[in-house]
Amino acid sequence: ETGVTQSPTHLIKTRGQQVTLRCSSQSGHNTVSWYQQALGQGPQFIFQYYREEENGRGNFPPRFSGLQFPNYSSELNVNALELDDSALYLCASTLLGPTDTQYFGPGTRLTVL
Amino acid sequence: ELKVEQNPLFLSMQEGKNYTIYCNYSTTSDRLYWYRQDPGKSLESLFVLLSNGAVKQEGRLMASLDTKARLSTLHITAAVHDLSATYFCAVLSTNAGKSTFGDGTTLTVKP
Repeated sequence: ETGVTQSPTHLIKTRGQQVTLRCSSQSGHNTVSWYQQALGQGPQFIFQYYREEENGRGNFPPRFSGLQFPNYSSELNVNALELDDSALYLCASTLLGPTDTQYFGPGTRLTVL
Repeated sequence: ELKVEQNPLFLSMQEGKNYTIYCNYSTTSDRLYWYRQDPGKSLESLFVLLSNGAVKQEGRLMASLDTKARLSTLHITAAVHDLSATYFCAVLSTNAGKSTFGDGTTLTVKP
């Protein structure tokens, strides 16, 4: 167990809808990253938050947005869902230091119909 | 843009055999990680490699890093069925705040 939790576990939405995924990081971890993992592929970096500010972003459109809260929780919001958004969404928390090891949550499986 | 390539993508091996998974990356990096992912599960951290020549071992797995060649290897010794999983390498660019993953190597160990 990594101490990182995500909710919900599974989610089904239809095209055009909006979704919010949640992550609770390990206590004291000031950095959270979100990844999208399509079936059969490696995780793709969406963005990272450090002390509630966006600290890096991958090649994802603005309809992917996030928030990080002082209590080590965070959200990933996706607007105007598309079929290709169907994937496993992973959050990972990090305590910045010598190794910057990321601890991954169990993921949320999003299906867009 | 940083690219990470793993090979092979699929590996079927018999129990007791040895094999190596390769991870090449395209630009200088600060950290290299290996992860394991079981079907339908999240990622489990295996190794963090920080410097040239770093070698880490845990059980039947050993990872190494050659920063000059931009190459990391994950060596499997005397494979057992429990090692069947998908293995990912990932490279961290701290100035960009992002990790770039390879496409993974799906390992199947047969009796």
